[in-house]
Amino acid sequence: DQQVKQNSPSLSVQEGRISILNCDYTNSMFDYFLWYKKYPAEGPTFLISISSIKDKNEDGRFTVFLNKSAKHLSLHIVPSQPGDSAVYFCAASVIEWSYSGAGSYQLTFGKGTKLSVIP
Amino acid sequence: DAGITQSPRHKVTETGTPVTLRCHQTENHRYMYWYRQDPGHGLRLIHYSYGVKDTDKGEVSDGYSVSRSKTEDFLLTLESATSSQTSVYFCAISVAPWGPSSGRPYEQYFGPGTRLTVT
Repeated sequence: DQQVKQNSPSLSVQEGRISILNCDYTNSMFDYFLWYKKYPAEGPTFLISISSIKDKNEDGRFTVFLNKSAKHLSLHIVPSQPGDSAVYFCAASVIEWSYSGAGSYQLTFGKGTKLSVIP
Repeated sequence: DAGITQSPRHKVTETGTPVTLRCHQTENHRYMYWYRQDPGHGLRLIHYSYGVKDTDKGEVSDGYSVSRSKTEDFLLTLESATSSQTSVYFCAISVAPWGPSSGRPYEQYFGPGTRLTVT
């Protein structure tokens, strides 16, 4: 049972236009969501995240939107650049509290979407 | 840069042989994780550790064991490698909200990966 789904394996976008990557989840206990970018032969790198108490988070060209009622989040990249070409993974977590404070123990990842930005 | 290294970076081994992958971190983070990445599956958690000698199973732990005798090292062992364990393995750390950390608490940061081929 896949709890985090990225239904588009690939996406092609023209340079300068908006890229929209989508992610759906089924577990209503998830309360923190993250996007990672991965280039070939490298480890995933953290891009942006959002807590379930928010519906939007921006960081430069990257914005993540969360729709809790629909269990859907999306990553917007504006404007898209050729260097953005990579595989993007959506991930979700249940924040677990410990004696030392909150810490995310496990991330559940989607299968990824390969973004190609065409010059 | 979360100071994570993995060794070896590439390994080819034969079915039935034991294999140990090493993850080393330099910043004294408490939480460490092992993932595998396979086409069509995204990243899946194998095992994780929340302190020295404290480990737990993830989603795909069968056929794998881990050990953490020092804060900086997290070892993943395949006792008897099988062809289904051919994959790219990533180590990750999670920054606790306390201690000598510079990142935010809920994200995980990944190493460069180990490509393992079992023939």
